[in-house]
Amino acid sequence: ETGVTQTPRHLVMGMTNKKSLKCEQHLGHNAMYWYKQSAKKPLELMFVYSLEERVENNSVPSRFSPECPNSSHLFLHLHTLQPEDSALYLCASSQGNQGPDTQYFGPGTRLTVL
Amino acid sequence: GDSVTQMEGPVTLSEEAFLTINCTYTATGYPSLFWYVQYPGEGLQLLLKATKADDKGSNKGFEATYRKETTSFHLEKGSVQVSDSAVYFCALSSQGAQKLVFGQGTRLTINP
Repeated sequence: ETGVTQTPRHLVMGMTNKKSLKCEQHLGHNAMYWYKQSAKKPLELMFVYSLEERVENNSVPSRFSPECPNSSHLFLHLHTLQPEDSALYLCASSQGNQGPDTQYFGPGTRLTVL
Repeated sequence: GDSVTQMEGPVTLSEEAFLTINCTYTATGYPSLFWYVQYPGEGLQLLLKATKADDKGSNKGFEATYRKETTSFHLEKGSVQVSDSAVYFCALSSQGAQKLVFGQGTRLTINP
């Protein structure tokens, strides 16, 4: 068990829908991350939260909106998505140390945008 | 900027063969290095890591040695099994940084 859970595991949505992805970590970590994994492309870091504050946003379109209400939960709110946003969205968490910091991943949400 | 380059896949081997997946990196300072594995339909799992030069990470029969002189962190296993079939990612984390930089991944298939 990884200690990081994600729901739903699969999501199909139309371009006009609004949906949210949820991530929860049970490891007592202080940092959480959203990654996008598309076919034949390296993993792309989308957002980083440390102690519930966003510390990095890698030029992600505004149709993706993250929320971190506490150190255990992370959401990714989706609206007006495009078919090219179809991908596996991975959540991760880590201690948030300044030194070597190992990230632990959830199983991902497979998103299909029609 | 920091980057990681892995050997291109896919890699197909027979059971009990010797495995090497090459990984080289570019980074300032002294990064930490990681190998993650992704089994079909799952997220990434940490396989092993090394945090300083000459460290050797090992787990489940896999090994990788942090070589600063060649900026490499090659993954090896002496005898692979069908259950090792997965995608393997090399990654680095620079000092003081909270993000991982990943290679493009190498798909490994082991045939019985």
